[in-house]
Amino acid sequence: ETGVTQSPTHLIKTRGQQVTLRCSSQSGHNTVSWYQQALGQGPQFIFQYYREEENGRGNFPPRFSGLQFPNYSSELNVNALELDDSALYLCASSLGGKNIQYFGAGTRLSVL
Amino acid sequence: RKEVEQDPGPFNVPEGATVAFNCTYSNSASQSFFWYRQDCRKEPKLLMSVYSSGNEDGRFTAQLNRASQYISLLIRDSKLSDSATYLCVVTLGDSWGKFQFGAGTQVVVTP
Repeated sequence: ETGVTQSPTHLIKTRGQQVTLRCSSQSGHNTVSWYQQALGQGPQFIFQYYREEENGRGNFPPRFSGLQFPNYSSELNVNALELDDSALYLCASSLGGKNIQYFGAGTRLSVL
Repeated sequence: RKEVEQDPGPFNVPEGATVAFNCTYSNSASQSFFWYRQDCRKEPKLLMSVYSSGNEDGRFTAQLNRASQYISLLIRDSKLSDSATYLCVVTLGDSWGKFQFGAGTQVVVTP
């Protein structure tokens, strides 16, 4: 086990709704990265948080936003859900941004 | 052109055989390289880091060719449990480690 936990494991939403996904990082890790993995694709980088600050962002629209808390846990928020947002959302924690990342089991989001 | 490209497979491999596959990357500034393994509908798990001199971990051997910008993974004496999707990961040498994933190579080991 990586020690990275995500909640919820599954979620069903309808188009236009908002969703919040949560991630608890491995003990001692100060960096959390979020990824979106569509079926049959590799994970795509959404953004990374390092010590509560956004530390880089991929090619995702502003309706994807995040937070990192003082205990280094993190949230991913997605507003105005679209059908294409249906995917597995993975968070990964690391010690510093450049080091090996350890993944949680993911949240499977279905948008109907 | 994708930043990280992999042959999607599947590679159908008899148990006990050897299989090898590559991953190419487009950014010559890439500095760190990894292979992750992902089982169906599960999270990616680190298989091994890839070093310039090549490295081995049991039945798995990884190689890096910076001149041609590819990394490779070789699996010897394949086991049924090696059936999975193998994800190639590349990071840039900037101040933060954005992981760039390939789409994965599927390996199916058959009895």
